Amino acid sequence: ETGVTQSPTHLIKTRGQQVTLRCSSQSGHNTVSWYQQALGQGPQFIFQYYREEENGRGNFPPRFSGLQFPNYSSELNVNALELDDSALYLCASSLTGGAGETQYFGPGTRLLVL
Amino acid sequence: GIQVEQSPPDLILQEGANSTLRCNFSDSVNNLQWFHQNPWGQLINLFYIPSGTKQNGRLSATTVATERYSLLYISSSQTTDSGVYFCAVRYGGSQGNLIFGKGTKLSVKP
Repeated sequence: ETGVTQSPTHLIKTRGQQVTLRCSSQSGHNTVSWYQQALGQGPQFIFQYYREEENGRGNFPPRFSGLQFPNYSSELNVNALELDDSALYLCASSLTGGAGETQYFGPGTRLLVL
Repeated sequence: GIQVEQSPPDLILQEGANSTLRCNFSDSVNNLQWFHQNPWGQLINLFYIPSGTKQNGRLSATTVATERYSLLYISSSQTTDSGVYFCAVRYGGSQGNLIFGKGTKLSVKP
């Protein structure tokens, strides 16, 4: 158990729809990172939030957006869903400024876009 | 950007056997983590090891930062060790995010 939770666990959407995924960080952590993992691949970095602001972004289009709240929880929003967005979405929490900044992952949300 | 290569891509072991997984990276790193992803997708932290050697039960890891590689050793493997093992690194240019290798898929047979 990492203390990082994600909801929902599974989700089915149709192409063109919008989706919101949620992540609660581990107690004491102030940073949340989001990753997309396609089948058979390693996770790919989407973006990171620290102090409620985006603190780095991977090679993902603007229709992927996010928020971080004062309690450090976070949302990932994806607009205009495409079939290729089907993947496991993982969030990780860490403590920026802490020793090592180890990232701890939640159980993920499996998104299927039909 | 940095390249992270893991080998072998697939590994099949008999229960009780030992194994070594390798992670090569193409640039200096300030963070290296090993993860085990179970069949349900959960990424489980094994080691935070940007340099040196650590041991945790039947698992141990060594990172030689100057030579840009890390090794994960699994001794006396059990069927519950099955899954995908990922190496992930962070470097100065990655803005805090982890760059993952493609993983080593381990299957331990009873």
